[in-house]
Amino acid sequence: DAGVTQSPTHLIKTRGQQVTLRCSPKSGHDTVSWYQQALGQGPQFIFQYYEEEERQRGNFPDRFSGHQFPNYSSELNVNALLLGDSALYLCASSPMLTNTEAFFGQGTRLTVV
Amino acid sequence: GNSVTQMEGPVTLSEEAFLTINCTYTATGYPSLFWYVQYPGEGLQLLLKATKADDKGSNKGFEATYRKETTSFHLEKGSVQVSDSAVYFCALSGAVQGAQKLVFGQGTRLTINP
Repeated sequence: DAGVTQSPTHLIKTRGQQVTLRCSPKSGHDTVSWYQQALGQGPQFIFQYYEEEERQRGNFPDRFSGHQFPNYSSELNVNALLLGDSALYLCASSPMLTNTEAFFGQGTRLTVV
Repeated sequence: GNSVTQMEGPVTLSEEAFLTINCTYTATGYPSLFWYVQYPGEGLQLLLKATKADDKGSNKGFEATYRKETTSFHLEKGSVQVSDSAVYFCALSGAVQGAQKLVFGQGTRLTINP
């Protein structure tokens, strides 16, 4: 079992650009959540996808959007990047219909310059 | 809204010392509580969890008890090792069942010296 996989592992972008991050959930998991972890801080919930729809959303602007595919994989898109978007982006997967803990990927380190 | 407050770090201990990392929470209803660990350059790993009051979660010598009366979930270990050096996050989920939206504390960096 490959667990939760994220790509790329590191990324450098320029202010104003757009970025797409990818996540493949653990086998058997149908729900994907995204978190932003700024340096020295705890992860902050961005949003959650289930059945290809956004089900819950945290306090993030519309510049942050996502998508879930029929195979349960997911993308996080961020438009008009700001320096403050530099962070570790974590993907977590879990099954929706059972009370099972979330499993996290290794994360994508995004640096905006 | 739901929130988690953790003991501020960094915490530095000698090997075989006793560890306590304090965690308190604010939540409506009866959340599930978690401790996650993050090793350098890695994502989060679940260390232990408790889903109802008075439950004790335990794993790898770490323990934490869900105390509803004090809204706390303090992490303890009787004898730490160098390999326990990492950042520890306390978290809660308000979901009774199903996929979790986690609310994290700010993390506590733990360093164990030989």
